[in-house]
Amino acid sequence: GAVVSQHPSWVICKSGTSVKIECRSLDFQATTMFWYRQFPKQSLMLMATSNEGSKATYEQGVEKDKFLINHASLTLSTLTVTSAHPEDSSFYICSARDSVTVNTEAFFGQGTRLTVV
Amino acid sequence: AQSVTQPDIHITVSEGASLELRCNYSYGATPYLFWYVQSPGQGLQLLLKYFSGDTLVQGIKGFEAEFKRSQSSFNLRKPSVHWSDAAEYFCAVGPNQAGTALIFGKGTTLSVSS
Repeated sequence: GAVVSQHPSWVICKSGTSVKIECRSLDFQATTMFWYRQFPKQSLMLMATSNEGSKATYEQGVEKDKFLINHASLTLSTLTVTSAHPEDSSFYICSARDSVTVNTEAFFGQGTRLTVV
Repeated sequence: AQSVTQPDIHITVSEGASLELRCNYSYGATPYLFWYVQSPGQGLQLLLKYFSGDTLVQGIKGFEAEFKRSQSSFNLRKPSVHWSDAAEYFCAVGPNQAGTALIFGKGTTLSVSS
């Protein structure tokens, strides 16, 4: 079945540094990918929609300059948390749906646990 | 407004007992409905989905869900719960368009007692 691979699965970084998270669709093309943030014991909050070859669409309240999204190919989107602070610590999950096949669900990466110290 | 409501934040079920997790949605167009399960620290795994046709859909791990348009519901059921079913369950709705994100409910935490 379709797989979305997210890397790294966990990362610890110092305040002020930047962290890049990768999201790959392994066996399908995804012109659009989605980045979510999940706080402990809460639902997924959509942060932004990543569009291949164009700018990402950010949800209201999400800082574009802090959460940089790049979608350079049909199978790869990256989220870079810039100048990370402890409040950015969270669980980040990416998702993608097949751009070609209809009637498909959204596939999710395994998530990235970011801890900023 | 488009939304998904999971009325039960936390449910505890005895192992071997039946389970029903509720999901109600508000969606302007034809809804495509999903149930996902999330284990701690993991991503989401699809349990089942409804696009059209038979309103009772079967999923993995013995789960099923029934789409009731008149009630705007898509409740998840399992006849006999196993301890390994303890997890977070999310109901989601969305269009059949690859470029549109799903809308998630707040989730229901399932605990299984022995």
